[in-house]
Amino acid sequence: NAGVMQNPRHLVRRRGQEARLRCSPMKGHSHVYWYRQLPEEGLKFMVYLQKENIIDESGMPKERFSAEFPKEGPSILRIQQVVRGDSAAYFCASSPSGQGPETQYFGPGTRLLVL
Amino acid sequence: DAKTTQPPSMDCAEGRAANLPCNHSTISGNEYVYWYRQIHSQGPQYIIHGLKNNETNEMASLIITEDRKSSTLILPHATLRDTAVYYCIVSPSNSGYALNFGKGTSLLVTP
Repeated sequence: NAGVMQNPRHLVRRRGQEARLRCSPMKGHSHVYWYRQLPEEGLKFMVYLQKENIIDESGMPKERFSAEFPKEGPSILRIQQVVRGDSAAYFCASSPSGQGPETQYFGPGTRLLVL
Repeated sequence: DAKTTQPPSMDCAEGRAANLPCNHSTISGNEYVYWYRQIHSQGPQYIIHGLKNNETNEMASLIITEDRKSSTLILPHATLRDTAVYYCIVSPSNSGYALNFGKGTSLLVTP
């Protein structure tokens, strides 16, 4: 049973470009969470999605960031017009039920570098 | 959310027990204590959690003080592969999902 998959693992963008980060949850998991880890910091919650629904986006910046989890395919975190401050590791986690943090399994992360 | 305080770094000799402390003096009655670890360049890994009783699983033991204001994660026989950053988090178990990690404790296990 494959774990949570994220791609790309590393992404380099120039200021003003768009970044698309993909997350494929574990088989049988319909809940996805995105987290951001700035350099030398711990992970911070960004958004929680179920299939075709955003449940909680309270941790996501109001501008330039969006997330989706379509009926088919991976969850996508999209960052438009990237700035240097967006450089971070972005992790996604999936869970089967949305009940309890212990049910979240984390992917290996995508490390975004904005030049 | 209750905040936690952890020492920034600790060392432990291989084979010895690693005892990682965490203070959470403002924890609420319905909040659980969770421990995760993050090995370099990987995503976090869940270790253990508890409410007020001590807990043990195949990875570690969790000791929570009677007043619940602090806890200790115990790795009974540390190995080199236990070198990681360890995070203590408090969250309501049944409704909590938005984890926010502090800076954690960087544990270095030495040969």
